[in-house]
Amino acid sequence: DAGITQSPRHKVTETGTPVTLRCHQTENHRYMYWYRQDPGHGLRLIHYSYGVKDTDKGEVSDGYSVSRSKTEDFLLTLESATSSQTSVYFCAIAQSGISTDTQYFGPGTRLTVL
Amino acid sequence: AQRVTQPEKLLSVFKGAPVELKCNYSYSGSPELFWYVQYSRQRLQLLLRHISRESIKGFTADHNKGETSFHLKKPFAQEEDSAMYYCALSPLTGGFKTIFGAGTRLFVKA
Repeated sequence: DAGITQSPRHKVTETGTPVTLRCHQTENHRYMYWYRQDPGHGLRLIHYSYGVKDTDKGEVSDGYSVSRSKTEDFLLTLESATSSQTSVYFCAIAQSGISTDTQYFGPGTRLTVL
Repeated sequence: AQRVTQPEKLLSVFKGAPVELKCNYSYSGSPELFWYVQYSRQRLQLLLRHISRESIKGFTADHNKGETSFHLKKPFAQEEDSAMYYCALSPLTGGFKTIFGAGTRLFVKA
């Protein structure tokens, strides 16, 4: 497995609380992504980063924010968690971001919002 | 709109039978196409990509531009092929936004 870790791996929280998920890589890849995986929807891009302090929105970015202060860390924050954000969250990295580039995925974080 | 459609949520076949996982896409242009796989308790990983013209674990995928399809095929399914399969496309320009299909769960019965 590529050197990608996610923390926490599991989290249960209550509606309205802030939650931060962390993705850490040791590959020095430039591009990092956050996806959510839901039945019937597959993987949907939340936010991505193309460098330190360079981020952009994906398909389902409402209710989420991200930050990347170091190459190796990409944080996903739910400012005020809602039940609709219960999901499995995957981080991915890619070396160059070109269309043919392979994405390498982390192990996932299962988030439950009660 | 860019979209990847995998019409089958679940596909069940017997060991040794041929298997085809369907993938159709909607994209105005020529995208790069991928199949990713997630085995039980493992990470999502690349299975194959169109540009490489490769065959991985006996799987191949043919890109039919006219039908905008990228179906995944294997002539003889094995039990260890049971997994979740995702078709994905990446635009040739601005290619860092990969679009995934909803996935097909393949179950190979003994």
